Order: sequence, then C-alpha cells, then structure tokens
Amino acid sequence: GAGVSQSPSNKVTEKGKDVELRCDPISGHTALYWYRQRLGQGLEFLIYFQGNSAPDKSGLPSDRFSAERTGESVSTLTIQRTQQEDSAVYLCASSLYTNTEAFFGQGTRLTVV
Amino acid sequence: SQKIEQNSEALNIQEGKTATLTCNYTNYSPAYLQWYRQDPGRGPVFLLLIRENEKEKRKERLKVTFDTTLKQSLFHITASQPADSATYLCALPAYSGAGSYQLTFGKGTKLSVIP
Repeated sequence: GAGVSQSPSNKVTEKGKDVELRCDPISGHTALYWYRQRLGQGLEFLIYFQGNSAPDKSGLPSDRFSAERTGESVSTLTIQRTQQEDSAVYLCASSLYTNTEAFFGQGTRLTVV
Repeated sequence: SQKIEQNSEALNIQEGKTATLTCNYTNYSPAYLQWYRQDPGRGPVFLLLIRENEKEKRKERLKVTFDTTLKQSLFHITASQPADSATYLCALPAYSGAGSYQLTFGKGTKLSVIP
C-alpha cells in the first residue's frame, strides 16, 4: 500500500462503550507501534509489535487497553469501557525493521462523551 | 528514570535565519536518534536518522548533530522559511524492560518562522 492507513479517522463514543481502532501498516514492515497523543501533548507509547515476537505492552495505561496484530499485517487496538480521559488521537506507525524510520498513519481521533 | 527533553516548547525565528532545536536525553545509550516533523492534525513525518558513530548528517537545508558524550542532538534548519513552521520531535530507542527497544519521542518544539 501507499502508506499506513488507519480507520476510522474519527470516532465519537459514549462513556462505557468499547471501541476498536484499526491500522493497516505498509506491506512488508515487521515493526508496528501504537501511540496516544492528547491535545497539545507529546506522543505516548502504548504497544509495539516486532515480527513474531511477543508484543511489548509496557506502555498500555490499563487493562482496558489491548491490541492484536495478525502476522505482519493489520493491527487492532481495543479500548474497553471507554472513559473521558481516553479522548485523544491514536497514532499507528510501522517500520521495516526496529532501527529504521517509522511511517505514521493520519491517526484516529477518539472522543468519549 | 529515562528522559528525553527538547529545549523549549516553542521557538520563534525570523525568515532566512537558522533555527536550532535541542534534544537532550538522560539514562539512555541510544544506537541512533531520529527527528520528525509534525503538522497540526497529521501524523509525524520522518526527517533524519543519525547513528551513534556519526557526528553529523545533512539533508538539503537540514543538519543534525549527535554528541553521545553530552547526550545531546542539535537539529538545524538553515535559511528558514514560513513553510518550515511545524512541531519537531526527536525520538530514540528506549529499552522498555520487556525485552525490546521501542521508539520513544520527546514532547516536541513548535517552530514558527515569521515572514
């Protein structure tokens, strides 16, 4: 594909509902990252997938957050029982290998009302 | 604890001048460091990567230095233009303690180039 694709681009959900965010990385990229960016803030690391290794979940803020990746393709980030503080832009990035440049998607803007 | 600091949240500079942005880090020994540009409402875009054995790297009007003794990287934009106005982020691999290195970002410096 041309680049990293994320869907939906915008999501408004009611507090307490579950949401699923999708990321399609660049084909052939072995590494995939999820970040959260609150308004006016920096990128907060959430989770990292590298090939078939166990994911690095050290950045997930609570057990309401989980993510999966199928092989070296699509990844989904799931937030259960959403809270207002979950409102942010969720960014996905992929890179060919761990130590190469990361390509970002446009992000999913999540608003919890 | 590991920390990445970018010298200022905002930097204003006159068009045509050289902008210099600073990235300092503590308790890391990164094999490389990267710089990204982020425009409002968009994901970051990769600009340059510099490795620990490289002192300097250039790309068009951009120049990055990497001093592993000072634990600092400088990012320069020469002959700055209003179109260079954006937030600039430095990033480096941080050992998470979970057996992997994940790309960690500084909070960024918002550069405004004034015509």
